[in-house]
Amino acid sequence: GDSVTQMEGPVTLSEEAFLTINCTYTATGYPSLFWYVQYPGEGLQLLLKATKADDKGSNKGFEATYRKETTSFHLEKGSVQVSDSAVYFCALTQRTGGFKTIFGAGTRLFVKA
Amino acid sequence: DAGITQSPRYKITETGRQVTLMCHQTWSHSYMFWYRQDLGHGLRLIYYSAAADITDKGEVPDGYVVSRSKTENFPLTLESATRSQTSVYFCASLTLLGYEQYFGPGTRLTVT
Repeated sequence: GDSVTQMEGPVTLSEEAFLTINCTYTATGYPSLFWYVQYPGEGLQLLLKATKADDKGSNKGFEATYRKETTSFHLEKGSVQVSDSAVYFCALTQRTGGFKTIFGAGTRLFVKA
Repeated sequence: DAGITQSPRYKITETGRQVTLMCHQTWSHSYMFWYRQDLGHGLRLIYYSAAADITDKGEVPDGYVVSRSKTENFPLTLESATRSQTSVYFCASLTLLGYEQYFGPGTRLTVT
């Protein structure tokens, strides 16, 4: 079946460091790919998305590219801030009659000042 | 306010009691979802709804009941709460424009 695998956390970085959170997926068909972010005490919110191969999603300095050949959607940011501390979820959604969304397990990021 | 709201935000109840968690969205999205979030299990889908009066089971539906008489509301009922249902519950809706989901702020439920 479809699945999403993302790197285990927690990831601890110093402010201004480069961030990569790996995400790979398995899916039949052509899913849309998403990164969601969850700040403490809140629900998930959309960070960025890509709907087809080679699309790059970007938002708030974060980027991810839909790589069909490697079935990956790695999240990157060039310079993290303390305010980026949160849990990041990779997800895919497919329209299969209805909709099916598969979430990764989440990666907690701590950014130190 | 536009968006998706959940109530209550916090709830403590006793084993065996019936509890209803409310969810309301203002966008008129057709699809709505209920998830539970637990340490070590991530997000798990309980039930979803494709439209008013159309609901279906997700990954972990046992012990839960849903209804959807109006597009904007999607309540989740625990018929007889158990300690294993202690969790954080999230409601979400999905936009057909880009398939992204919008989440409510969550309800933290404790069953004693």
